[in-house]
Amino acid sequence: EVQLVESGGGLIQPGGSLRLSCAASGFTVSSNYMSWVRQAPGKGLEWVSVIYSGGSTYYADSVKGRFTISRDNSKNTLYLQMNSLRAEDTAVYYCAREMATIMGGDYFDYWGQGTLVTVSS
Amino acid sequence: SSELTQDPAVSVALGQTVRITCQGDSLRSYYASWYQQKPGQAPVLVIYGKNNRPSGIPDRFSGSSSGNTASLTITGAQAEDEADYYCNSRDSSGNHLAVFGGGTKLTVL
Repeated sequence: EVQLVESGGGLIQPGGSLRLSCAASGFTVSSNYMSWVRQAPGKGLEWVSVIYSGGSTYYADSVKGRFTISRDNSKNTLYLQMNSLRAEDTAVYYCAREMATIMGGDYFDYWGQGTLVTVSS
Repeated sequence: SSELTQDPAVSVALGQTVRITCQGDSLRSYYASWYQQKPGQAPVLVIYGKNNRPSGIPDRFSGSSSGNTASLTITGAQAEDEADYYCNSRDSSGNHLAVFGGGTKLTVL
């Protein structure tokens, strides 16, 4: 059974750093595309970042230069290092497995339960 | 970057058919995927590709696409279908980014 379990969220002051983790089971993280998607309170979904199976990484403009996506193959775990946090980064952060398709209709088939990050003084 | 536009809210009578739409330039090049999200829960994939349903998704959910518009149709809406629905696609600029629509709140009357 595929499972994704996020952890690492919490209350952090503006300008601070936090690292989120997403422990996967039932499949191999390094063989898949893996993404982070966030949702601010009462708002819609916002894609944040992806790491491809080959290791390439991509970011939304809103987090580029501040967030870093990575993985630990030995732990089958995905990470999101978040630096220089701002109030507008407050959100529930979900990790999701992304299925790539030849026809260009990628989709997110499995999601974690999310972890809440609150940036506030 | 690319934008996907959805109507903020749609309502449907119990047992009737409803279509939720998503517009964006990237949809001319890429299929949309659709997600259902109920309060306090993670999103759930309901439609992907041309018109594919993951295992466990009822066949009353279907997808279609024409030009720059993708649609999610629920035929015979049930009370449990009341939720937020989001479309998603690849950014059309070719820079490997993904985008979500703003979401549609579906109310089943």
